[in-house]
Amino acid sequence: NAGVTQTPKFRILKIGQSMTLQCTQDMNHNYMYWYRQDPGMGLKLIYYSVGAGITDKGEVPNGYNVSRSTTEDFPLRLELAAPSQTSVYFCASSYSGGLGTEAFFGQGTRLTVV
Amino acid sequence: DQQVKQNSPSLSVQEGRISILNCDYTNSMFDYFLWYKKYPAEGPTFLISISSIKDKNEDGRFTVFLNKSAKHLSLHIVPSQPGDSAVYFCAASAPGGGADGLTFGKGTHLIIQP
Repeated sequence: NAGVTQTPKFRILKIGQSMTLQCTQDMNHNYMYWYRQDPGMGLKLIYYSVGAGITDKGEVPNGYNVSRSTTEDFPLRLELAAPSQTSVYFCASSYSGGLGTEAFFGQGTRLTVV
Repeated sequence: DQQVKQNSPSLSVQEGRISILNCDYTNSMFDYFLWYKKYPAEGPTFLISISSIKDKNEDGRFTVFLNKSAKHLSLHIVPSQPGDSAVYFCAASAPGGGADGLTFGKGTHLIIQP
């Protein structure tokens, strides 16, 4: 039972480079999320999606883009990497966004921008 | 402006004793609260939750208490075990569900001493 799978687990980027963080879930969840966690901080929502074809900004969307062409996949794109994007990124999914629905998280992607 | 606050970055408890982790919130619109547990190099995993219509929810060794008037919740773990050593995040969601994600505290690192 895979759950939420993120790739890669680690990545080092140079300033100005771009990359895509992959996220896929096999639980047929409608809702998917991208969070980032900076050292000593809680998780902050970057983008979320309530279903295929629908995405919306979270608390910290600047510098990122997402797409949701299928229920399973929710990739996060960094176009011009900056040192401020050094963080651990978590993808999550939930069956619905309604009351009582907990989110399931992937293992995270540790990104360093140098 | 932090809407969910965990004011203790770390907590050390002896094995077998009770661990009490605290969380305060400022947004009176929050109506659902969750606790997540996180081990190093892993994603957060859901532990226990509570709706604002309740003041207590119990699941085995874990109990969450909610004091709405004080905007305070706590997680009790009894008895504490070595495997409980982890970072614990308090999270909250507002009406409309978690469609726009959860608001997380910064976390409390629980250390269970043998």
